[in-house]
Amino acid sequence: DGGITQSPKYLFRKEGQNVTLSCEQNLNHDAMYWYRQDPGQGLRLIYYSQIVNDFQKGDIAEGYSVSREKKESFPLTVTSAQKNPTAFYLCASSMNRRETQYFGPGTRLLVL
Amino acid sequence: GQQLNQSPQSMFIQEGEDVSMNCTSSSIFNTWLWYKQDPGEGPVLLIALYKAGELTSNGRLTAQFGITRKDSFLNISASIPSDVGIYFCAGPRGSGGGADGLTFGKGTHLIIQP
Repeated sequence: DGGITQSPKYLFRKEGQNVTLSCEQNLNHDAMYWYRQDPGQGLRLIYYSQIVNDFQKGDIAEGYSVSREKKESFPLTVTSAQKNPTAFYLCASSMNRRETQYFGPGTRLLVL
Repeated sequence: GQQLNQSPQSMFIQEGEDVSMNCTSSSIFNTWLWYKQDPGEGPVLLIALYKAGELTSNGRLTAQFGITRKDSFLNISASIPSDVGIYFCAGPRGSGGGADGLTFGKGTHLIIQP
């Protein structure tokens, strides 16, 4: 089945630790996105990539990093510089320059 | 940046009732998207609108692209228990269309009382 997978479903981070969230898609989509969702809030864009080996900062990129070495994969690293990392993280993809984005099931990050 | 205001924030309705919600923008949009999110899951695309005045249906759901291009409406007819969830409106974040990501409203939380 075509779709977007995110792993793990739940992730725990200790103080000062970097953690990496996985996002893989087999839809052959060019563009991929990372959003953060806090309780009672809409989704906010962290980073996005329209093509392999290129990515841009979204509205809340501080404390996060990404890479796009393969078309299918767009991992997000939550660094120790992100002081409030507890949130629900959602990955999405779309055909290039199309607005309709399709989302993965999400990863919930909790700080110990 | 662009802001999307959704109303109402939450709705408590009886099964079988019709539902109406709306979304307004501080600026003109060329596309409106409506998503539904179940607890602990990713949003699922319900309807996409591309033209001012457009009215599009998906089963019991109907959405409209406002003629001012600054608002959109979603209606659900004859609600059923599986309609429970959070409904988000979204539009292109930048002038480059959806390629630059989406901006989202804060959602309308639909609760159905048996």
